[in-house]
Parts: sequence; structure tokens; C-alpha cells
Amino acid sequence: SYVLTQPPSVSVAPGQTARITCGGNNIGSKSVHWYQQKPGQAPVLVVYDDSDRPSGIPERFSGSKSGNTATLTISRVEAGDEADYYCQVWDSSNDHVVFGGGTKLTVV
Amino acid sequence: QVQLVQSGSELKKPGASVKVSCKASGYTFTTYAINWVRQAPGQGLESMGWINTNTGNPTYAQGFTGRFVFSLDTSVSTAYLQISSLEAEDTAVYYCARDIRYGSGTYFKYYFDYWGQGTLVTVSS
Repeated sequence: SYVLTQPPSVSVAPGQTARITCGGNNIGSKSVHWYQQKPGQAPVLVVYDDSDRPSGIPERFSGSKSGNTATLTISRVEAGDEADYYCQVWDSSNDHVVFGGGTKLTVV
Repeated sequence: QVQLVQSGSELKKPGASVKVSCKASGYTFTTYAINWVRQAPGQGLESMGWINTNTGNPTYAQGFTGRFVFSLDTSVSTAYLQISSLEAEDTAVYYCARDIRYGSGTYFKYYFDYWGQGTLVTVSS
């Protein structure tokens, strides 16, 4: 089955830029979506279809893809951005949703 | 506004069954499928599958066949997840989520735009 690989953790200072990667075979041909999950809360969609933002999500959140890697970029990081972030795709080979393992963003 | 409201936490003994509900409001229930996602303690998100709210046809992900059943009551815009023969390994937070899907082939897009608040199911003797 299809595998998405994320780094377990990323640390960034307030005001700096955080980049969270999501690797997968031929991910360039798939639509990638990103979720933010704060402790004790449900996930929230922050980027869909590689780079689109739902209404209400700050412009500081952006998505991109290059080669076999998708990236969620958070500019001007704030303490409130500290959360787990998950990438997700649809695996057309077996018609199911796949999530990455998640990345814990720490604002230090 | 769109809302998915789930039933409260459950504490069950091994071998028992549990039924989690997910009540939708703010949109036409039968227009969007409802998915179920599991999150074991300290772990990541795992898709369990989805149910077509128009036909009632469920689709289960690998590893979620047999003891897991998705069902609906469209008269009250509610989806259900039932788990039978509970095991300690079923201890997790279970989320329902509405999906958006469109496109075809390799450009098929499928993501979750609204989530329930989650239901903690604890299995312990």
C-alpha cells in the first residue's frame, strides 16, 4: 500500500518559517492535503489540493510540491501554531485514504 | 454552519460492543459521505473507511472488516460506527469526518473538510 513519510518533529523559533515535508512515491501525480491537530482537538484542514487554503486559514499557511515531496510552509510562526500536522492523499491503487505519520511542530 | 457532533466517551469491557454516533447539521446530510478515522493513544490518524449517505453502502479500509460496521439513520442525519468483540487495541479516539471528492483518475481529489469532535472509546477490564 501507499506510504507517506513525514519527519517526526520540526522545531522553529517564533517569527521564523517552518517547513514540514511529506514524501511519497510519485506524489507529484496526487492531490495532497494537510491537517493541523492541536492537543485534545480534532484535526483541522489547513491546505487542500496541494496549495489551496480553506476560508479562515491564515495566508501564513501554504503548500507546494516538488519531485517526490510535498511541503507545508508556515511563515511567521506563532506559538499558537504548535501542533501535529498530517499530510493525506487518496491512494488510487486500492481506493483508500492514506495519512502520513504526522509531524510535531514545536515553537521554541 | 456545518457541524458534526459525536456521542460521548465510552468505557467498555473486552468482548463488549460499542456504538458511536455522529449527528450532522448545517447541510443536506445525503449530499456528502461520512468517513471514520481512528487515532490510538499517542499515534497518528488512520482511515477506517466511509459510508455513502445516499445509498447506505459502506466501504471499509483494510484492517477494519468484520468487527466494524458503519450505518445511518438519515431521518435524524446521523451516522453510526459500531465495533463488536472489543479488544484492548480498540482503545482510541474515533472521529467522523465529511469528505469532499471530485476529479478522476490520478487527479482524483479526496479530503476531509469538517470533523466531529471525536469520541474516546476505552476498552479495559
